[in-house]
Amino acid sequence: ETGVTQTPRHLVMGMTNKKSLKCEQHLGHNAMYWYKQSAKKPLELMFVYSLEERVENNSVPSRFSPECPNSSHLFLHLHTLQPEDSALYLCASSPISGGLNTGELFFGEGSRLTVL
Amino acid sequence: AQSVAQPEDQVNVAEGNPLTVKCTYSVSGNPYLFWYVQYPNRGLQFLLKYITGDNLVKGSYGFEAEFNKSQTSFHLKKPSALVSDSALYFCAVRDPSGYSTLTFGKGTMLLVSP
Repeated sequence: ETGVTQTPRHLVMGMTNKKSLKCEQHLGHNAMYWYKQSAKKPLELMFVYSLEERVENNSVPSRFSPECPNSSHLFLHLHTLQPEDSALYLCASSPISGGLNTGELFFGEGSRLTVL
Repeated sequence: AQSVAQPEDQVNVAEGNPLTVKCTYSVSGNPYLFWYVQYPNRGLQFLLKYITGDNLVKGSYGFEAEFNKSQTSFHLKKPSALVSDSALYFCAVRDPSGYSTLTFGKGTMLLVSP
């Protein structure tokens, strides 16, 4: 139990499907993140939510749509994806940086997405 | 802007030998530095961090890292490698002044042979 739970762990979808990835954290953190990890490429920060407001969106295509209904839950809605979107999608949480909080991230196990 | 460089894609070491995984960083202020490990098909796990104080930081699983300000480095070390240490290692940096998130290096694969 890492404190950050991602579902599903594996997802296969066609390019016309609509699916969602879910992340839940049980650590009392106020910030949540989506990262994309592709083979042989650096971790790509996609979205950051702080106190349920999106504070960072790193030029992510609109076919990825995040949602943060509360500080414990984060979703990534997927629609009309491309095969190059196949990757491991990692969710993370942290206390809000500042004071004694160093910005350390706590990761979930990831959702392995395959787009056919 | 902050950045991290991990110059080695892969490090090979025999079990029982010391290991070093290299990391250099660039940040405008005094850095917060982190090491994470990723086992196959798993998320990233926190190993250790440098915030301030002693330049030698000890972390999980017998790992340690040395902060060197003049060389802007934060190399990960372990005196005696285990086969089970084989994994992907990520260095990360954050500038604590103002708002910023962690910036990760591209990762270094550590392979420990029996």
